[in-house]
Amino acid sequence: IAGITQAPTSQILAAGRRMTLRCTQDMRHNAMYWYRQDLGLGLRLIHYSNTAGTTGKGEVPDGYSVSRANTDDFPLTLASAVPSQTSVYFCASSAGEDTGELFFGEGSRLTVL
Amino acid sequence: GQNIDQPTEMTATEGAIVQINCTYQTSGFNGLFWYQQHAGEAPTFLSYNVLDGLEEKGRFSSFLSRSKGYSYLLLKELQMKDSASYLCAPRDSNYQLIWGAGTKLIIKP
Repeated sequence: IAGITQAPTSQILAAGRRMTLRCTQDMRHNAMYWYRQDLGLGLRLIHYSNTAGTTGKGEVPDGYSVSRANTDDFPLTLASAVPSQTSVYFCASSAGEDTGELFFGEGSRLTVL
Repeated sequence: GQNIDQPTEMTATEGAIVQINCTYQTSGFNGLFWYQQHAGEAPTFLSYNVLDGLEEKGRFSSFLSRSKGYSYLLLKELQMKDSASYLCAPRDSNYQLIWGAGTKLIIKP
């Protein structure tokens, strides 16, 4: 079934550790996104990529980095995790930056202690 | 600044109709989306409005008034499976979605 796969589903991490959340899509979508979702807040955009080889900063990029070496993969890295990065992270994709519907992965629940 | 306002929680009865309102202020406007999100799951697309008026899709309809910065999602013939959060997300001049915190809809038998 075509879609977006995220890994890991859940992770507990010690503060200061490095962590990479993986995201792969098989829909050949150009645009990909990383959001975090916290209780009582809307989804907040961390980083995005409109096409392979390009990335951009979203609303809350600090402490996170991304890369887009190819169309399918869009990993999110926390270089040195802090407790405020405890959240549910969603990867999403769309056919183009100005085409609307986003398809979301199942999410990665990250707890930083 | 950019702002989305929708009720935090609503309760409705199975079989009834419920309207979830959303008001927004964005820098530019390029359409508005509604997503459904069940607890512990990813958001899924429900509807998209770019012009004023009502878009109907089965039991769900979405309305947009661009001049008023207002949208609503109308759910008819409510079913227990409709218990979920409903996210309003207008798109700004940079084609970025601005997400509301969502309305948690509780359906009672």
